[in-house]
Amino acid sequence: QSALTQPASVSGSPGQSITISCTGTSSDIGGYNYVSWYQQHPGKAPKLMIYDVSNRPSGVSLRFSGSKSGNTASLTISGLQAEDEADYYCTSYTSSNTLFFGTGTKVTVL
Amino acid sequence: EVQLVESGGVGVQPGGSLRLSCAASGFIFADNAMHWVRQAPGKGLEWVSVISWDGGRTSYADSVKGRFTISRDNSKNSLFLQMNSLRAEDTALYYCAKGLFSTVTSPFDYWGQGTLVTVSS
Repeated sequence: QSALTQPASVSGSPGQSITISCTGTSSDIGGYNYVSWYQQHPGKAPKLMIYDVSNRPSGVSLRFSGSKSGNTASLTISGLQAEDEADYYCTSYTSSNTLFFGTGTKVTVL
Repeated sequence: EVQLVESGGVGVQPGGSLRLSCAASGFIFADNAMHWVRQAPGKGLEWVSVISWDGGRTSYADSVKGRFTISRDNSKNSLFLQMNSLRAEDTALYYCAKGLFSTVTSPFDYWGQGTLVTVSS
């Protein structure tokens, strides 16, 4: 395996909540609490939104939250706003001492 | 203010070599792990390599293992990526990323703007 599986796209209306899943295996997501989430707007460098499954870096909105169950991690965006429209990627540390990125999810605000 | 400035990206023929550099400022460089991440045009992100705060531990993606070497010079606040035996599939924007912590498990809390590597005959 070389990548974690994410849905290609997720959409929601302003104010709604959406959840992006990130599925791996027991050798990555299921084995470690080193899951992070990144937001990338077109033409921009990615931004760290969540680290170590559920921790928010300073300055990141409380509307973003992370969780994990078994081999699947999730990013929830509450109170969806137009500025949240972007690509989102998960990452996880692996038993091979490497990092995997997810396949990426395009979030569309309707 | 944390700044990461990559350089060294150019066009190169398959089988060629390149050395990327990343100049860091605005934080204590020796305190943090550093990563290289790449993004092929129109594609997703791919982690390439990480080096611990002191250079004592490194790790590579399978796709570059044996061809790429990561290194750092803490006295010059600089990160490097030596890329050998380049292939067309190595064509990408290469980002330097700062680790939030000192260890190789660290997520990336700051990113540069990237340097473009194009491998083509």
